Amino acid sequence: QSALTQPASVSGSPGQSITISCTGTSSDVGGYNYVSWYQQHPGKAPKLMIYDVSNRPSGVSNRFSGSKSGNTASLTISGLQAEDEADYYCSSYTSSSTLHVVFGGGTKLTVL
Amino acid sequence: QVQLVQSGAEVKKPGASVKVSCKASGYTFTSYGISWVRQAPGQGLEWMGWISAYNGNTNYAQKLQGRVTMTTDTSTSTAYMELRSLRSDDTAVYYCARVPYGEPINFDYWGQGTLVTVSS
Repeated sequence: QSALTQPASVSGSPGQSITISCTGTSSDVGGYNYVSWYQQHPGKAPKLMIYDVSNRPSGVSNRFSGSKSGNTASLTISGLQAEDEADYYCSSYTSSSTLHVVFGGGTKLTVL
Repeated sequence: QVQLVQSGAEVKKPGASVKVSCKASGYTFTSYGISWVRQAPGQGLEWMGWISAYNGNTNYAQKLQGRVTMTTDTSTSTAYMELRSLRSDDTAVYYCARVPYGEPINFDYWGQGTLVTVSS
């Protein structure tokens, strides 16, 4: 199983907002402001959407936002659009001796 | 523009080795690190390790220690990932990603992926 816990799926209608959670521990999500979110369309490479918990790279829509509270990080997508349908993965730095980076298991977003 | 272009798909037998390349362009190669991430069919992302393109320092996921080696060739701006003693569960798409120094999980540009199939 993945080190970070995400819901397997979420869905929403066009124009609505959705939030995807990413739960870890004090050794990863809760301990560092190093949380990233990636969007992956089928057959494509992941794309960075959010880094350092809440920062958007240049070119990423401001409909995407990130936050963190305790050991849980969240990605919110507002004004859902059909092209937002994809898999989303969270990632965190970890102080684990066996890893430096952990990913969540991924969340499939369906735009109804 | 920043580009990471990976080598083509590979089919290997169990016990063999594979070496995947990742050629960078559009930025100063030694000013960033490279991480490798793999994705088994229908599965999530798995971090494999990181290499500094500046001095060659590496950090590997412990589960791959002893089987994986990451290197860079600064003369050609190319990063390499070699995985040895391949098993069927190493079948995956392997990605390289650029990583700014001081931003350990900010994988801001990715290669297109290389499918490695391990099968007898």
